[in-house]
Amino acid sequence: GQQVMQIPQYQHVQEGEDFTTYCNSSTTLSNIQWYKQRPGGHPVFLIQLVKSGEVKKQKRLTFQFGEAKKNSSLHITATQTTDVGTYFCAGDSGNTPLVFGKGTRLSVIA
Amino acid sequence: DVKVTQSSRYLVKRTGEKVFLECVQDMDHENMFWYRQDPGLGLRLIYFSYDVKMKEKGDIPEGYSVSREKKERFSLILESASTNQTSMYLCASSTGTGSPEQFFGPGTRLTVL
Repeated sequence: GQQVMQIPQYQHVQEGEDFTTYCNSSTTLSNIQWYKQRPGGHPVFLIQLVKSGEVKKQKRLTFQFGEAKKNSSLHITATQTTDVGTYFCAGDSGNTPLVFGKGTRLSVIA
Repeated sequence: DVKVTQSSRYLVKRTGEKVFLECVQDMDHENMFWYRQDPGLGLRLIYFSYDVKMKEKGDIPEGYSVSREKKERFSLILESASTNQTSMYLCASSTGTGSPEQFFGPGTRLTVL
């Protein structure tokens, strides 16, 4: 079945450094979604990418969807302590439920 | 405001007990999902439902069953709880059209002793 791999599993950064998490699907996706889960919280939807090569920005967060629609990345510029949490990608192949990656847990050291 | 609620935040049960986890959404969503979340394993789909009375197995259905008698309510049942079912259980819902985002409940941390 469809698999979604996400790396790295953990990332520790100094406040102000950049952070990137990568997501790769074993199959072509119709869209990819990103979620953030704060410590002790539940996943919250951030964004959805649909088009091949799409790039979307939310303040310091930049989301990319690969040309082949099989990979995606989330980049955070100049991390802040409020960015702490686990970031999940979730792939939608169109005819199955979302498949979530295992997530990247981000720690930010002030 | 969109809301998914789960019956308990924390639950402690004994091995062999029957456990019911309830999830209610107030958004008139067609789709509902049950996941379990374990460290290093991410979110794993247990069961999902695209309509009332309808249910489909996810990736790890063994040891679980579900019930959806009303559109807003999706229940997860552990027929005979075991220690390896100690986990965080998350319910989610979404609309039935397009590729909708999922709205998650706060989760139930279940401990089976």
